[in-house]
Amino acid sequence: GQQVMQIPQYQHVQEGEDFTTYCNSSTTLSNIQWYKQRPGGHPVFLIQLVKSGEVKKQKRLTFQFGEAKKNSSLHITATQTTDVGTYFCAGRPTGSARQLTFGSGTQLTVLP
Amino acid sequence: KAGVTQTPRYLIKTRGQQVTLSCSPISGHRSVSWYQQTPGQGLQFLFEYFSETQRNKGNFPGRFSGRQFSNSRSEMNVSTLELGDSALYLCASSAAGTPDTQYFGPGTRLTVL
Repeated sequence: GQQVMQIPQYQHVQEGEDFTTYCNSSTTLSNIQWYKQRPGGHPVFLIQLVKSGEVKKQKRLTFQFGEAKKNSSLHITATQTTDVGTYFCAGRPTGSARQLTFGSGTQLTVLP
Repeated sequence: KAGVTQTPRYLIKTRGQQVTLSCSPISGHRSVSWYQQTPGQGLQFLFEYFSETQRNKGNFPGRFSGRQFSNSRSEMNVSTLELGDSALYLCASSAAGTPDTQYFGPGTRLTVL
């Protein structure tokens, strides 16, 4: 079945450092979404990428979708304590009605 | 618009009992998905419903079932509870045109003793 792997599982950074999480799918995806879950909260939609090679920015966050539409990354520049949480990617295989599959998540801790 | 609501927010049950969780999607959203979240397993897909029809089902035993009503509200039921069913159960709704943009509810925290 489809697998979506996410690395790293955990990341501790000093406030002000950059952070990147990577998402890799075993199958080609029609699109990819990124979500953020704060401690004790629920996942919140951040962004969707659809096109091969697409890059989108939201303030200090940069999202990329790979050329083969099988991988994606989220990069945060100059982390802040408000960035703390778990970041999940999610994708659905191309051309099928199979379910949206979430990656295992990367838990980010930002040390002040 | 009001967000996704889930009831109850917390639930404590004992092994062997059954439980029903409820989800009300965002107004106008016809798709509802359910996920089980545990510390070790992340977000595991349970079901996806659209207009009262189950479109997809995850790899969970038959003790897990769900349904969707004509007003798009959804319920999931777990029978013969096991200790391993303790988890946060999340419901998410999406609009017909953007099915993969999921809006999550706060979840129901189920503890099985």
